[in-house]
Parts: sequence; C-alpha cells; structure tokens
Amino acid sequence: AQKVTQAQTEISVVEKEDVTLDCVYETRDTTYYLFWYKQPPSGELVFLIRRNSFDEQNEISGRYSWNFQKSTSSFNFTITASQVVDSAVYFCALSHLSSGYALNFGKGTSLLVTP
Amino acid sequence: ETGVTQSPTHLIKTRGQQVTLRCSSQSGHNTVSWYQQALGQGPQFIFQYYREEENGRGNFPPRFSGLQFPNYSSELNVNALELDDSALYLCASRTAGARDEQYFGPGTRLTVT
Repeated sequence: AQKVTQAQTEISVVEKEDVTLDCVYETRDTTYYLFWYKQPPSGELVFLIRRNSFDEQNEISGRYSWNFQKSTSSFNFTITASQVVDSAVYFCALSHLSSGYALNFGKGTSLLVTP
Repeated sequence: ETGVTQSPTHLIKTRGQQVTLRCSSQSGHNTVSWYQQALGQGPQFIFQYYREEENGRGNFPPRFSGLQFPNYSSELNVNALELDDSALYLCASRTAGARDEQYFGPGTRLTVT
C-alpha cells in the first residue's frame, strides 16, 4: 500500500529560525516519485520539488533544501532562515506507475512564521 | 501561474442537487486529474482522464463522474450532493509522458448546505 505520513500537524517558528518538515512514505514499488507542494491561503498548490526513487542526491534551492533517504523512507524539507511569506500548508506526495502517477498526499503540515 | 484555470471559483449547492465543475488545462497537456480536498486534509485523488477516457480512479463513488473534451478541457460532475462533498476541488494537468510534472489550478470551493 502507498502511504505518506506527515506527523507534524502544525509548526510555529519565529522569523529567521530554521525549520524542518518531516515526510515518511510507504510503497512497494521500486520506481516512484516524491514531491513537496506549498499551499498558501489562496488555495492553489505550488510545486516545489520532485525526486525520483533512483536519485537520492540532496538538493538545495535558495533557502530550501531537501533530504531524501531511502533507508528510512523519508523525504524531509528544511527551510533556512524562515520568513513570514513561508507561512502556508506544506504537502508531501508520492506517485508511481501502478497508480497512473496519481498523487498520494500526506495530510500536510501547517507552518506559521511570526515576525 | 500554471496556465490551468477552473470555474467557478466558489459554489453553494443544496444537498441532493447536482453540480458541474470545469477545468481548462494548460496548452498541450493531454492528461487531467481531479482531487478533492476537505478542510484540514490533503488532496484526495478522484480520477484521471487521458485522451477523453478515464484511466485511473480513487476511492470515490460512481456519483462522481467526469468528462474530458478534445481540446483537453474537462468537467467533474457530482450527483446527489451530500454535506461531506463540501471541499476544495482541484484539477491538475500534465502531458502523458511527464509523469512528474503536474500543474494545479486554483480550485473550486464547493459548499453543500
């Protein structure tokens, strides 16, 4: 079965703090894709990153970084020096061929960054 | 902006009624998926269409149905609305080969009273 778990329901940090959002996944497929999306209050899902199961290289994009570890089935997301504009709900998602590449989302982590 | 549009933005319906939501895909995208996002939850996959045929479905009853048109725009139809159908409905489009790049529209907020 496919499953994505985001254990942190809500996180509150003060601006400029670093914050890590956790994502743990379950799948029996050997080929799969992992994603992070941001959902601001407006509701539209904003794509942040995708990783395929054969690429465990960590990635950094500005203040954002992602740590993919197949050994622990985790795909964690870190925001460095958080800003108020980072306040949003963040979703981790999983897809693979056996599901027609439909996205299986976690329940999301609501991040609040206060000045 | 992703180039995916949805209409209407908001909608209020009464229990038992029927509703049609619309999605216009990004140009060149032949695959469209629909998701339901209840308040405080992650989006749930409803179904997917490729070249006007349904080719994947999540755990939703048959009263959720869809259409995809030759221009790759699509519709989500829900019959016999229930209170639990109140949610944000999102569509996402992609090309069939780009399994890792889905572009989401802004969503339609449906309220069933």
